[in-house]
Amino acid sequence: DQQVKQNSPSLSVQEGRISILNCDYTNSMFDYFLWYKKYPAEGPTFLISISSIKDKNEDGRFTVFLNKSAKHLSLHIVPSQPGDSAVYFCAASATGANSKLTFGKGITLSVRP
Amino acid sequence: DTAVSQTPKYLVTQMGNDKSIKCEQNLGHDTMYWYKQDSKKFLKIMFSYNNKELIINETVPNRFSPKSPDKAHLNLHINSLELGDSAVYFCASSRWTQGEQFFGPGTRLTVL
Repeated sequence: DQQVKQNSPSLSVQEGRISILNCDYTNSMFDYFLWYKKYPAEGPTFLISISSIKDKNEDGRFTVFLNKSAKHLSLHIVPSQPGDSAVYFCAASATGANSKLTFGKGITLSVRP
Repeated sequence: DTAVSQTPKYLVTQMGNDKSIKCEQNLGHDTMYWYKQDSKKFLKIMFSYNNKELIINETVPNRFSPKSPDKAHLNLHINSLELGDSAVYFCASSRWTQGEQFFGPGTRLTVL
C-alpha cells in the first residue's frame, strides 16, 4: 500500500525553464513533508521541507507547495539547471514519538542544456 | 569531512553467508536509521535507533539484527543471506525522530 505516490517516473525539461515535480499522499495523519535529491551511487540529500501548517516554502530556486485538501504537494525548480538532473524523492511523516519517513518511488528529472 | 559513512560500499556474497554493514555518523545526532532500497526503487525504513534504543522495527526478518554500540554507530548484521536480500542499504541519521535525515552513500549488497 503506497502511502506516498510519485506517479510520473520521469520528467525532461529544458535548461532555464521550470520543473514541476508532483507527489500525492493518502495518509491524512502526515503533517511533515520533505523532498530529497539523489545522484547515482550516492545517498539521498535533503532539499526542502514543509510543515502542514504552511502551504508554501521557498528556498532559492526551490519552492514546495502543499495542498492539504487534495493531499498533494509539488516541488518547483526555477530556473532548472543541468546539475539538477537527479532522482527526486518525496517523503512524509506523522508527528509522534516514533515518527518515520515514508518515501515515494522517486522521479528522474533530466534537464537538457 | 564525511557526515554519514558506510562500509563497505559494495558487498558480493553467496547465499547462506552472514555479513555486516557498518555505519558511523559524526554529526552528533541522536537518531539513526537503516533503509532498504529494493529493485523497485522504493526506500523503506527497516530500523530506527534513538540514543542506542530501538524505536522502529518494521516487519523485517529476524535474520536482520541492528546493533548500536554507541550513539554514533549503527551496524546491520544479516544472517543466512538470501537472494531477495540483494538491494542497496542506506544508513541515515537525524537530530530528532522527526526531521531532516542525513543519508550515507549506500551499500550495494548482491547475493549470488
